[in-house]
Amino acid sequence: QKEVEQDPGPLSVPEGAIVSLNCTYSNSAFQYFMWYRQYSRKGPELLMYTYSSGNKEDGRFTAQVDKSSKYISLFIRDSQPSDSATYLCAMSANDYKLSFGAGTTVTVRA
Amino acid sequence: GAVVSQHPSRVICKSGTSVKIECRSLDFQATTMFWYRQFPKKSLMLMATSNEGSKATYEQGVEKDKFLINHASLTLSTLTVTSAHPEDSSFYICSSSALAAEQYFGPGTRLTVT
Repeated sequence: QKEVEQDPGPLSVPEGAIVSLNCTYSNSAFQYFMWYRQYSRKGPELLMYTYSSGNKEDGRFTAQVDKSSKYISLFIRDSQPSDSATYLCAMSANDYKLSFGAGTTVTVRA
Repeated sequence: GAVVSQHPSRVICKSGTSVKIECRSLDFQATTMFWYRQFPKKSLMLMATSNEGSKATYEQGVEKDKFLINHASLTLSTLTVTSAHPEDSSFYICSSSALAAEQYFGPGTRLTVT
């Protein structure tokens, strides 16, 4: 079993729809949770960073962490074609080493 | 977000030669830098962790004599792939961290060994 599970998709939605992404994990020591966006042949870009459980909102992006269920989510509201990318969840314990999900490929159709 | 640069962005080299990749943290001092490798349509695999002025810590299965990491300052880390072979062809990405687990990634370097 992988430490971090993420459905690779692909996920295709019409412009303006809500994109819902999630990851599950098995390591209860994880305290830091992140979502990255990666365009093809580029480095990952940090979208959201959360410590421990709770919700965090930044513009059209909302990240949720439920440590009791070992489940994290990212929601993208009013999706745009420019949101088409691969989204990676990542998490770490106090050693700050990131464990990544497989990444979900998202396409927003104009 | 913080800015991290990598140079070169692409490199093609012949089998048996060595290649150096630079990673620079442009707008903050990075206490820790990380080096990752990414295969096509796969997620990132951590290769090593480096702290300024000390030896890098390599992940299991990563040959430290093949992938030499130097972290000479708080803003610069280098990865040298020694005696490169075609199986070393990959996308290499560095990241910098100044605070806890928050990591900012460089744009990556695509290495092709012929």
